[in-house]
Amino acid sequence: AQTVTQSQPEMSVQEAETVTLSCTYDTSESDYYLFWYKQPPSRQMILVIRQEAYKQQNATENRFSVNFQKAAKSFSLKISDSQLGDAAMYFCAYRSAGSSNTGKLIFGQGTTLQVKP
Amino acid sequence: DAGVIQSPRHEVTEMGQEVTLRCKPISGHNSLFWYRQTMMRGLELLIYFNNNVPIDDSGMPEDRFSAKMPNASFSTLKIQPSEPRDSAVYFCASSYDRFLVYGYTFGSGTRLTVV
Repeated sequence: AQTVTQSQPEMSVQEAETVTLSCTYDTSESDYYLFWYKQPPSRQMILVIRQEAYKQQNATENRFSVNFQKAAKSFSLKISDSQLGDAAMYFCAYRSAGSSNTGKLIFGQGTTLQVKP
Repeated sequence: DAGVIQSPRHEVTEMGQEVTLRCKPISGHNSLFWYRQTMMRGLELLIYFNNNVPIDDSGMPEDRFSAKMPNASFSTLKIQPSEPRDSAVYFCASSYDRFLVYGYTFGSGTRLTVV
């Protein structure tokens, strides 16, 4: 069974600085998708960025980028120029692809990010 | 597009009562997922539907939980009888297709408190 681990329960960053959130996963599959979701105090789950495992190029969405290391099974999220609105809980998630894809997302336990003004 | 709509946003009920949570997926989406979020267990998939048919309900904790999707625009998650350990945030999410590479769109969740 696949598992997702976020080893940092809490992180803090100064406004305008850069922060990296860690995520590791365990799977025997070669084809899958990885996601980062943001959950602000409003409770809404918001998709931040996604990565297809077959792509070597790291995904980037504006100030958000990932460092995808397939061999190491690592998928970290880097937030550049942190803003107060980035304060939230961040979840890393895994989803199988291909014939084993059931649509199920497997989530890590989350990392709470505090942004200090 | 109004997004995935869940109701109620908050629900407080007494132990033993029946609770019904509702979800309206995004129009055109044919996969619907129910997740539960607790501090202890994080986010867990309870059940998902594809084209209104339940595909995997292995995450439903016990017989007290049931879910239906009578049509493409509506789903319910029912707990009968409710217990304090059912207190959690319940999310509904939808996607165009379960094979789609994109993550789903989540609703705002229902916070359930059973006293």
